[in-house]
Amino acid sequence: SQQGEEDPQALSIQEGENATMNCSYKTSINNLQWYRQNSGRGLVHLILIRSNEREKHSGRLRVTLDTSKKSSSLLITASRAADTASYFCATVQRQGGSEKLVFGKGTKLTVNP
Amino acid sequence: KAGVTQTPRYLIKTRGQQVTLSCSPISGHRSVSWYQQTPGQGLQFLFEYFSETQRNKGNFPGRFSGRQFSNSRSEMNVSTLELGDSALYLCASSFGVSGNRAKNIQYFGAGTRLSVL
Repeated sequence: SQQGEEDPQALSIQEGENATMNCSYKTSINNLQWYRQNSGRGLVHLILIRSNEREKHSGRLRVTLDTSKKSSSLLITASRAADTASYFCATVQRQGGSEKLVFGKGTKLTVNP
Repeated sequence: KAGVTQTPRYLIKTRGQQVTLSCSPISGHRSVSWYQQTPGQGLQFLFEYFSETQRNKGNFPGRFSGRQFSNSRSEMNVSTLELGDSALYLCASSFGVSGNRAKNIQYFGAGTRLSVL
């Protein structure tokens, strides 16, 4: 089952604008991660935010986490055409010593030049 | 440092056949996880191998199997292929250390796109 659910499913903006994607999840977490996937390719890890963190920055990326609402958001500032991709949030489910990532269905971002 | 390598990149098979996909993890990584990605179901966890042992398994039928070798390279096998097995198969490697640490970040390969006709 999908743990994270991204919103919106698709987002189209102009270059230079900011893009905000949201993710909701169902169970308690230790951390939440965001990944990017260019069309038909593998996923690239963007940022990890721990459950005791509320906000984290990495370059033009800003991630927030609200554990009381079980939600996270990813903000990409000053977007570029190269940011066009699908973005996924993922939570970690532990089973014994193993951890698996549970992904949402993603937000497809299109940045128009 | 070389990334995760998946081979082949593309495969076309017919129903009933079997297929083997290969994944070479980042050097030093002992955990390899496999995921299936389809437009309808999204990204779904198949299984994880660590030190040649399957450590975790998703909700897939027994036609999906895998193994890991002593050098951490992993293969997954799908037998008796069905049309619904058409998907992008992704593998990811990590150090496989449990806990809330950056070392459990998974690094993905480019995937193998399987088409079943």
